[in-house]
Amino acid sequence: EAGVVQSPRYKIIEKKQPVAFWCNPISGHNTLYWYRQNLGQGPELLIRYENEEAVDDSQLPKDRFSAERLKGVDSTLKIQPAELGDSAVYLCASSSRISGSYNEQFFGPGTRLTVL
Amino acid sequence: AQSVAQPEDQVNVAEGNPLTVKCTYSVSGNPYLFWYVQYPNRGLQFLLKYITGDNLVKGSYGFEAEFNKSQTSFHLKKPSALVSDSALYFCAVRDWKDMRFGAGTRLTVKP
Repeated sequence: EAGVVQSPRYKIIEKKQPVAFWCNPISGHNTLYWYRQNLGQGPELLIRYENEEAVDDSQLPKDRFSAERLKGVDSTLKIQPAELGDSAVYLCASSSRISGSYNEQFFGPGTRLTVL
Repeated sequence: AQSVAQPEDQVNVAEGNPLTVKCTYSVSGNPYLFWYVQYPNRGLQFLLKYITGDNLVKGSYGFEAEFNKSQTSFHLKKPSALVSDSALYFCAVRDWKDMRFGAGTRLTVKP
């Protein structure tokens, strides 16, 4: 079974430029998460999707961040314009709701963003 | 609000010795607790979880964790550490919508 796929793995941009990250979750997983992981810290949730609906985006900085999951499968997270403080690893995760609401999440390898 | 704390930034053990990575939690209801491991340039990998039942939970790669309600702890353990266990370990607590992670503990196992 393929795991969560993310691309690109690394991205270096200059501040004020736009950037986009792509995630393809594990097949059949209804729930998709985007996290941001700053250096030396644990992941922090940005947005959670149930199928194509964003059900929790309270931590997403909406002035510059946007996300979509149009067909309820893969997802794109965008930053426009990027700021120096956005440098971090952006992780995508997915989980299944078949067995209940407390299933573990499966993480992709992440995209390491560096904003210069 | 629910949260977890990992009181140690760094844990060093010798290969073959037992290891413990500590985690304490704070929740308003029943705790749903998880341990993940992160190797360099990799995403988080699930190790084990406690939802209900036995306080001793067994997981991947020989790891286990002990749920202690009175001490609100969920420490990760392994009887005999391997050099390949060296990585970053995260404790997490989950409710119906959100998962919150600790800051992580870097485990170094020396030959």
